[in-house]
Amino acid sequence: AQTVTQSQPEMSVQEAETVTLSCTYDTSESDYYLFWYKQPPSRQMILVIRQEAYKQQNATENRFSVNFQKAAKSFSLKISDSQLGDAAMYFCAYRSDQVLNNDMRFGAGTRLTVKP
Amino acid sequence: ETGVTQTPRHLVMGMTNKKSLKCEQHLGHNAMYWYKQSAKKPLELMFVYNFKEQTENNSVPSRFSPECPNSSHLFLHLHTLQPEDSALYLCASSQEVGLAGVTYEQYFGPGTRLTVT
Repeated sequence: AQTVTQSQPEMSVQEAETVTLSCTYDTSESDYYLFWYKQPPSRQMILVIRQEAYKQQNATENRFSVNFQKAAKSFSLKISDSQLGDAAMYFCAYRSDQVLNNDMRFGAGTRLTVKP
Repeated sequence: ETGVTQTPRHLVMGMTNKKSLKCEQHLGHNAMYWYKQSAKKPLELMFVYNFKEQTENNSVPSRFSPECPNSSHLFLHLHTLQPEDSALYLCASSQEVGLAGVTYEQYFGPGTRLTVT
C-alpha cells in the first residue's frame, strides 16, 4: 500500500523569506498524482498545487512550486515570499492514476508558522 | 469556499445520542468521501461513494453509518459513540470519471467538530 511521509511536524519562516516543506512517498505504481493541501486554522482545507507523475516539469502556482523527484519518490513544496496568510497545516497527498481507485493517502502534516 | 458545505459545524453529543452529519457538494462531482481528522494523526478515510454506491469502508465501527441518497448529498449517522470518536469530520468530493482531463483532486468541506461526552 502507498504511504506518505512528512518528516517535519513543524516549520517556521520569517515573513518574505522562502521555506521548503518535505514529503516522501512509497509506491510501486508508475502513474499517479501528488497534491499539497493547505488547512488554515479553523478553515477549510484547500488545494495548493498538483503534480502529475508523468510530467517531468515541476508544477508552479504563483509563489508555490514543487520539486518533484520521481526516482527518489520525493515531492517537496517551496513557498517563496512567505506571507502571514501562509500560516497553516500543510498536507502532502498521493492518489493513484487508476480510475475509481480513489483512496487518497495523506501525510501527517506540517504546521507552518510565519513570523512577522 | 470550495463548493462543499457541511452542517452542523459543531456538535456535542452524549454517548447514548443519535445524530447525523450532513454534507452537500455543488460541484457536480460523482464521488464523495468521509474522513476523520484527529490531532497529530493523518487523515483517516472512512467511507467512499462513487456514483452513489459505497465502494470503500475502511473498517469503520458500525456506530458510524453513511448514507448517500444522490451524488450531491452525503450523510453520516452517528449512534452510541465513544469519547475517542471526538474529532473533526471532513467531507470531500471529487470528479472521478466523465470529464476530459480529470485530475482527481478532492474538494473539502469545513468539517464538523464533534465532541462526545
